[in-house]
Amino acid sequence: ILNVEQSPQSLHVQEGDSTNFTCSFPSSNFYALHWYRWETAKSPEALFVMTLNGDEKKKGRISATLNTKEGYSYLYIKGSQPEDSATYLCAAYGGATNKLIFGTGTLLAVQP
Amino acid sequence: KAGVTQTPRYLIKTRGQQVTLSCSPISGHRSVSWYQQTPGQGLQFLFEYFSETQRNKGNFPGRFSGRQFSNSRSEMNVSTLELGDSALYLCASSKTGGRGEAFFGQGTRLTVV
Repeated sequence: ILNVEQSPQSLHVQEGDSTNFTCSFPSSNFYALHWYRWETAKSPEALFVMTLNGDEKKKGRISATLNTKEGYSYLYIKGSQPEDSATYLCAAYGGATNKLIFGTGTLLAVQP
Repeated sequence: KAGVTQTPRYLIKTRGQQVTLSCSPISGHRSVSWYQQTPGQGLQFLFEYFSETQRNKGNFPGRFSGRQFSNSRSEMNVSTLELGDSALYLCASSKTGGRGEAFFGQGTRLTVV
């Protein structure tokens, strides 16, 4: 896995809005897709690790889906809150390289 | 359960010097990976160690090296520092590597002057 891309680069929403981000990755030799939340002055924290095509995971207001055949994952946040403001990183792990490769992230700012 | 600990947190070095960063993983985690984060570049993979063996390496010059000890603690060394090496260096530990959740330390902020 050589290239993981995320969009948009940044997003500004109002409190209560729902939002979603995209992560795309090469679908060949895929093993796992990770999502992390990175708040300012803290360490990245794992949200989800998904491996199976069609996987859907949920944690509170945040959910993620995975399509390994076409090489993309979506992260959804329902009813955004100011505390959701962070950079959201996705990373893909592939068997050919045994590397966990990160995208450049989506910076989310939620205005109260 | 103690988290991943990186030392030092901040470091200022002069061009040409060398530096060693340390990472203590979560107890029981055998995989330690190192990443470099610079503005606009995201997390760039440096290398991964698993049970004292380097399992994989990113596209960095040979000035960047690392090792892992029998207690899974890892060190990263950068020799002949350049201004462009200024970055946040993060380490992450996991039980098995990329298939499982990674736990990150708070990073070492290296400034080369």
